[in-house]
Amino acid sequence: AQSVSQHNHHVILSEAASLELGCNYSYGGTVNLFWYVQYPGQHLQLLLKYFSGDPLVKGIKGFEAEFIKSKFSFNLRKPSVQWSDTAEYFCAVEGPSRASKIIFGSGTRLSIRP
Amino acid sequence: DTAVSQTPKYLVTQMGNDKSIKCEQNLGHDTMYWYKQDSKKFLKIMFSYNNKELIINETVPNRFSPKSPDKAHLNLHINSLELGDSAVYFCASSQDTASLRETQYFGPGTRLLVL
Repeated sequence: AQSVSQHNHHVILSEAASLELGCNYSYGGTVNLFWYVQYPGQHLQLLLKYFSGDPLVKGIKGFEAEFIKSKFSFNLRKPSVQWSDTAEYFCAVEGPSRASKIIFGSGTRLSIRP
Repeated sequence: DTAVSQTPKYLVTQMGNDKSIKCEQNLGHDTMYWYKQDSKKFLKIMFSYNNKELIINETVPNRFSPKSPDKAHLNLHINSLELGDSAVYFCASSQDTASLRETQYFGPGTRLLVL
């Protein structure tokens, strides 16, 4: 069955700490991968995406993610977090065709201590 | 200019009522979606339309009926509202080719509370 797992439900860090959020997926065939962020009370915004090419993807606000096909993983990283990074982070996967549906992980809540 | 907009932003209503949520996108996209985000933040697709044609219809009660008058609008009508319908509903859109899908852009969400 197609699924996305985000094992960290709630991560608490201090400002300037490094961040890595895990994402593993189960999906047959070619995939598109996404990380979305949802700031408190706001809608989902795209952080970064991987469709093909370089497996190390750079996104907005200093975030990056690495697609490791052999591990079915797409972990999100940031070398130094800020208080403003406090939000919910969602990993998502979909097939490339129009008929495939996007599947979201359950989200990881990130809390940054000032 | 808001790319994907939804109205209303908040909706509080009684059980058994019928309500509609509207979604409009000004991005020129041809595919639109409705998602439901429950109290645990789990996000699940409900429907997708491409050029007014239903593409994805997940296992959703038939009390939920999407309506797409044109490719820039996808409204969601809910009949006989139940307590379990309380959630945040997100609209999204993307520009798809015949075989490929591009990034989805999300609206601000409609917070529905059924009393």
